[in-house]
Amino acid sequence: QKEVEQNSGPLSVPEGAIASLNCTYSDRGSQSFFWYRQYSGKSPELIMSIYSNGDKEDGRFTAQLNKASQYVSLLIRDSQPSDSATYLCAVNIYGGATNKLIFGTGTLLAVQP
Amino acid sequence: EPEVTQTPSHQVTQMGQEVILRCVPISNHLYFYWYRQILGQKVEFLVSFYNNEISEKSEIFDDQFSVERPDGSNFTLKIRSTKLEDSAMYFCASKDSGNQPQHFGDGTRLSIL
Repeated sequence: QKEVEQNSGPLSVPEGAIASLNCTYSDRGSQSFFWYRQYSGKSPELIMSIYSNGDKEDGRFTAQLNKASQYVSLLIRDSQPSDSATYLCAVNIYGGATNKLIFGTGTLLAVQP
Repeated sequence: EPEVTQTPSHQVTQMGQEVILRCVPISNHLYFYWYRQILGQKVEFLVSFYNNEISEKSEIFDDQFSVERPDGSNFTLKIRSTKLEDSAMYFCASKDSGNQPQHFGDGTRLSIL
């Protein structure tokens, strides 16, 4: 059974601080990794994708990947109250002609004004 | 920006009735998916569809479920005889190729009474 593990939180950070979200996965063959943001009652919204070891930056967001440790993380700099949401780590798992996403349970982030 | 659209946003159905959830994927995308999320739980893969056939299905996707792409734009999920435990948010997703990220629709909230 291929798994994606996240701390469910809540992770509480003050406005302006760095939020650090972590994820581990079990399938060593996985090649692509995604972070989605999900507001309560809404659908997952893609915020970052990462395919190679190292860091990838996009605005206030930085994704980090370490395939040897099977570890993905997301850093949010200058956190804003509007960043308060559940952050879902998703790993692409190959299956037949298509890939499917396996999601973690998500980490609830609360940014305190 | 193109988006995945789902209808209806909320469906209330009596147990044992058939329900059809509809999705219009992004127009140039080739891979289509259904996921579900029971309240308070993780997003779970149901089925993937490519080249007019099911590519992979999960254990959840039993004989009561079917998918169809009837006209080259719509992608539907049918549940033949609904059960109470089918109550969940159902998300349609699509992507254009390989390791590219999946884009999600806003979801249909299915409530079985």
